[in-house]
Amino acid sequence: SQQGEEDPQALSIQEGENATMNCSYKTSINNLQWYRQNSGRGLVHLILIRSNEREKHSGRLRVTLDTSKKSSSLLITASRAADTASYFCATKGYSTLTFGKGTMLLVSP
Amino acid sequence: DTAVSQTPKYLVTQMGNDKSIKCEQNLGHDTMYWYKQDSKKFLKIMFSYNNKELIINETVPNRFSPKSPDKAHLNLHINSLELGDSAVYFCASSQNVRGGLGGDTQYFGPGTRLTVL
Repeated sequence: SQQGEEDPQALSIQEGENATMNCSYKTSINNLQWYRQNSGRGLVHLILIRSNEREKHSGRLRVTLDTSKKSSSLLITASRAADTASYFCATKGYSTLTFGKGTMLLVSP
Repeated sequence: DTAVSQTPKYLVTQMGNDKSIKCEQNLGHDTMYWYKQDSKKFLKIMFSYNNKELIINETVPNRFSPKSPDKAHLNLHINSLELGDSAVYFCASSQNVRGGLGGDTQYFGPGTRLTVL
């Protein structure tokens, strides 16, 4: 299975700090995506990085991809209480996305 | 306008009953999906339809039957509900299906929380 595995499972930080989440996967991919899920809501797409890309930015988000290590990281800079949510990586092979188990991020004011 | 909508939002029912969940997307996407999210938040794909055709059917009991009357709708019918079916079910849609380095960004509905008593 190419299921992603996020690390850590849970992360608690203060507002203004940076949050880093990692994702590892097992097989080759076409792209890797990060999603956010607020409590009781559906997943929302954050950012996509292709397998031939190494780094991508979107606002306060920075994603890196190392295909040799089969790993990705999501960095949220200057975190806010509103960033409190679960974050999932999803790997895309030939057919569809496979989601990891998520990292629960708690940002305290 | 909600991009991907699901009804109902909550569904509480007894074991052995049959129930349906409806999903509609107004994004003009070709592909729709059903996912099941368990109590540990693990999200697992169940089905995928492309232009009303079933393209992915993971190892889901045949008590679960998806139906796509048109490419904007994908409904999920569940027969003989069991306790283990309790979960949150998400519908999603995307434009692309296979291959390539890009695409397949998925748009999720708000979820249907199913509780089987």
